[in-house]
Amino acid sequence: QKEVEQNSGPLSVPEGAIASLNCTYSDRGSQSFFWYRQYSGKSPELIMFIYSNGDKEDGRFTAQLNKASQYVSLLIRDSQPSDSATYLCAVRNTGNQFYFGTGTSLTVIP
Amino acid sequence: DTGVSQDPRHKITKRGQNVTFRCDPISEHNRLYWYRQTLGQGPEFLTYFQNEAQLEKSRLLSDRFSAERPKGSFSTLEIQRTEQGDSAMYLCASSSTGFDTFGSGTRLTVV
Repeated sequence: QKEVEQNSGPLSVPEGAIASLNCTYSDRGSQSFFWYRQYSGKSPELIMFIYSNGDKEDGRFTAQLNKASQYVSLLIRDSQPSDSATYLCAVRNTGNQFYFGTGTSLTVIP
Repeated sequence: DTGVSQDPRHKITKRGQNVTFRCDPISEHNRLYWYRQTLGQGPEFLTYFQNEAQLEKSRLLSDRFSAERPKGSFSTLEIQRTEQGDSAMYLCASSSTGFDTFGSGTRLTVV
């Protein structure tokens, strides 16, 4: 079982819609959860981090964490073509190792 | 420049040669990570330093790979006797207590 699992997509949404990205993780003791955005040929850049159950909002982005279900999600409201990228879910586990999912490719169609 | 810098940006080497990459982290960050990323995959953890101490090594890191962080500042990653399967983007990241900030990476091509 992989440490972090994501649907690879591709996920396509029309401009202005909500994009929903999902991630599950295997280490129940993990405490830190991150969403990174990676444009083609570039390195990952942090969008959101969340440590507590519930929702965390930052502008058009909302991260949701459910530790009981070992599930993390990212919602992007009012999606823009510039949001088209691969979104990586990352988890810092109890051993302080950082594991990434394979990423979900998002395309926002103008 | 206060970001994480990596050198070189690109490296092409012949199979069997040794290569060394350098990472300069954000100066106040005590944690430094190396990752490898291949096309269509997320970054894979290779190794982690806290200051100068190498605390974790992935089983992905074969005996041909070695990493150092002398004096807890910059770090080097060396690959000996490169193989075609080593072709990938090698990413360095640093952090203090929170999230990792990534460098631009070194793209290695083994021919």
